[in-house]
Amino acid sequence: EDKVVQSPLSLVVHEGDTVTLNCSYEVTNFRSLLWYKQEKKAPTFLFMLTSSGIEKKSGRLSSILDKKELFSILNITATQTGDSAVYLCAVEAETGGGNKLTFGTGTQLKVEL
Amino acid sequence: DGGITQSPKYLFRKEGQNVTLSCEQNLNHDAMYWYRQDPGQGLRLIYYSQIVNDFQKGDIAEGYSVSREKKESFPLTVTSAQKNPTAFYLCASKARTTYGYTFGSGTRLTVV
Repeated sequence: EDKVVQSPLSLVVHEGDTVTLNCSYEVTNFRSLLWYKQEKKAPTFLFMLTSSGIEKKSGRLSSILDKKELFSILNITATQTGDSAVYLCAVEAETGGGNKLTFGTGTQLKVEL
Repeated sequence: DGGITQSPKYLFRKEGQNVTLSCEQNLNHDAMYWYRQDPGQGLRLIYYSQIVNDFQKGDIAEGYSVSREKKESFPLTVTSAQKNPTAFYLCASKARTTYGYTFGSGTRLTVV
């Protein structure tokens, strides 16, 4: 069974801090790893990673994948209160019936003033 | 604008009743998915479908049923056999040739 594990489960930081969120996985027929931010309803897409060692950046957020160690991190620098959310890691795998996403339980981030 | 529409946003049902959640997309995506989310947990896959008239069970299919009679539509029925149906349900879709998934805004089902 495909498995995605995120750590820490929750985190409280102060504005301006830098945080690192972790995601490890065990899947058969890996296709991609995706990061999402979820505030109240639907997850919003952050990054998709398919190749090892290539950092993806978007403003204060960045992410990298290590396909040898089956691991990804999401970094957020200079955190703001608007970064408070659940961050979800998901891995896409090919199956006989098509591709499917398996999600981790998420990391709940709270950024305080 | 293209997207996924889930309806209703909130749904209340009595225990023992079947209920159907709607998911419609106008993105011309081939694949569609249903996920369930419980408080403090990630999304768990219920069913997915890559083409019309075909669908696969996900990790927690028991107590649920789906149909895919049209490319645009993938309704989910929560049956009375589902022991704990109260949850947030998300529908997603994906084109065959791209990596990106598009999510609907979800339906919050409460069974009383």
